[in-house]
Amino acid sequence: AQSVTQLGSHVSVSEGALVLLRCNYSSSVPPYLFWYVQYPNQGLQLLLKYTTGATLVKGINGFEAEFKKSETSFHLTKPSAHMSDAAEYFCAVRPNTGNQFYFGTGTSLTVIP
Amino acid sequence: EAGVTQFPSHSVIEKGQTVTLRCDPISGHDNLYWYRRVMGKEIKFLLHFVKESKQDESGMPNNRFLAERTGGTYSTLKVQPAELEDSGVYFCASSQDLGYNEKLFFGSGTQLSVL
Repeated sequence: AQSVTQLGSHVSVSEGALVLLRCNYSSSVPPYLFWYVQYPNQGLQLLLKYTTGATLVKGINGFEAEFKKSETSFHLTKPSAHMSDAAEYFCAVRPNTGNQFYFGTGTSLTVIP
Repeated sequence: EAGVTQFPSHSVIEKGQTVTLRCDPISGHDNLYWYRRVMGKEIKFLLHFVKESKQDESGMPNNRFLAERTGGTYSTLKVQPAELEDSGVYFCASSQDLGYNEKLFFGSGTQLSVL
């Protein structure tokens, strides 16, 4: 079975600092990889995804993630945090077969002014 | 264009009662999913409809949960009778196409509290 591990249920960064949210997955075959963000009282929104091709993926709001097959990782980064980035972030994978998404436990990001 | 709508946003019920959650997907989306997040844990798949048919219901916890999607439009998820461990946030998502280009649109969820 697939599993997704997000290290750190809570991450705090200062405004303007680097954001790094970690995600590792377990799969013998590289799956499709996703990052979703949930702002308060809203549904999950797709930040970015990796399916094939370039391993560095750029998403909305200045976020990007790099797929590293050798490390089975898909960490999310943003060079400079903004107050509006405060939200909960979910890493997810979807196997190449089937339509089920497997999510991590989420990381709540706090941005300190 | 309206997004995925879920109703109610919050529900507080007592153990043993029945609750019905509703999801209205984006118009034209054949795929509809239910997911659940128990507090502090990962978001877990419950089931997947393609139009009115259950494509995959492997994530349904037990027979106290019944999902329907009559007519292939909105869906309901009924829990009867509710137990304490059913508390959590129930998310609905819809999509138009399957495959690697599938893009899921999520509702804001229903927070269910069973006391």
